[in-house]
Amino acid sequence: ELKVEQNPLFLSMQEGKNYTIYCNYSTTSDRLYWYRQDPGKSLESLFVLLSNGAVKQEGRLMASLDTKARLSTLHITAAVHDLSATYFCAVDQPAGGTSYGKLTFGQGTILTVHP
Amino acid sequence: GAVVSQHPSRVICKSGTSVKIECRSLDFQATTMFWYRQFPKQSLMLMATSNEGSKATYEQGVEKDKFLINHASLTLSTLTVTSAHPEDSSFYICSARDVAWYQETQYFGPGTRLLVL
Repeated sequence: ELKVEQNPLFLSMQEGKNYTIYCNYSTTSDRLYWYRQDPGKSLESLFVLLSNGAVKQEGRLMASLDTKARLSTLHITAAVHDLSATYFCAVDQPAGGTSYGKLTFGQGTILTVHP
Repeated sequence: GAVVSQHPSRVICKSGTSVKIECRSLDFQATTMFWYRQFPKQSLMLMATSNEGSKATYEQGVEKDKFLINHASLTLSTLTVTSAHPEDSSFYICSARDVAWYQETQYFGPGTRLLVL
């Protein structure tokens, strides 16, 4: 059974600081997604990581994937208040499976950025 | 970009009634859609995979007779919560996968908040 664990679950940051959210998963997969969720809203796609060593950046967020370590990171640079939200990583079916699209989500990281 | 819509956005119903939720992919075809449920302050849990033209595949612990899924066309999947009870109150979110250009992006609908009284 695929398990996905994020840490930390709660993150309180000051504006301007850097931090990293970690996402570990238990079985082989080469497909990992990062999403943002604002209170009461659905999910917004941030990054799609499809291969080992993939690195993607958008604004103050950068995501990477290490399939050998079964680890993805979401790095926040110079945080701003607008980044406050819940961030989820999600792992697709194990590599070689035929049921891609079935996502297993991490617990979510609640990020609060303070002035 | 690709958009997935859901209707209704929120619904309040009495215990024992049935509620139908629609999920549409607006500018792409989706042979497969997924239904998730999210309880307050929790993560998303996959309920079932909706396959166009065939039966849905349900995850372990999800009652297929209670959560009826119909994927009638390449752009529409419906989830019917039959004989809803207060414990079915949750945020239901559908998603669809756009496989164009090998981007493999999974798009989520805006969600439907169900409250059963």
